[in-house]
Amino acid sequence: DSGVTQTPKHLITATGQRVTLRCSPRSGDLSVYWYQQSLDQGLQFLIHYYNGEERAKGNILERFSAQQFPDLHSELNLSSLELGDSALYFCASSVAEFYEQFFGPGTRLTVL
Amino acid sequence: QKEVEQDPGPLSVPEGAIVSLNCTYSNSAFQYFMWYRQYSRKGPELLMYTYSSGNKEDGRFTAQVDKSSKYISLFIRDSQPSDSATYLCAMSATGGTSYGKLTFGQGTILTVHP
Repeated sequence: DSGVTQTPKHLITATGQRVTLRCSPRSGDLSVYWYQQSLDQGLQFLIHYYNGEERAKGNILERFSAQQFPDLHSELNLSSLELGDSALYFCASSVAEFYEQFFGPGTRLTVL
Repeated sequence: QKEVEQDPGPLSVPEGAIVSLNCTYSNSAFQYFMWYRQYSRKGPELLMYTYSSGNKEDGRFTAQVDKSSKYISLFIRDSQPSDSATYLCAMSATGGTSYGKLTFGQGTILTVHP
């Protein structure tokens, strides 16, 4: 158990819908990262927050957004969902940038 | 061309064998190198974390980084069936707009059979 929690574990929804994925980092970690894992693209970086502030963006779609709250938990919002958004979404946390990242168990999103 | 290349395997070895997993990369700004193990449908688990070049050993695992060749390796000694998983290399750069972003290889599927 890495200490990073993610909810929900599974999410099944329809195209065009909006979902919110939640992540709680390890106690004491200020950095939260979101990654997407699909069969064809592998693990891809989406976005990084440090102590509530956005620090870096990867190839994150405009339909996707995220935020980190004062209690340091983070949410990833996915809207206007398409079939191709079906993937595993992982959250990772670290003490700060350039430290070890510990991954949560992931949320499996299925868009029908 | 991908920034990080990793042979996807699959790799099948007998129990007790020494396993060698490798990645090559093209971005010379990478300074932090990691190996993760991922069991099916689970989150990646950090195995090794190294900075710059050199070797690091932890139990049955040894990580090597050769920055001059842009090549990293993970060795697993006395492999066990419980080591059967996908192994992912990951790297991050310092400075610029990196801020700790990890770039992953595609992963190597390893099976250790009794």
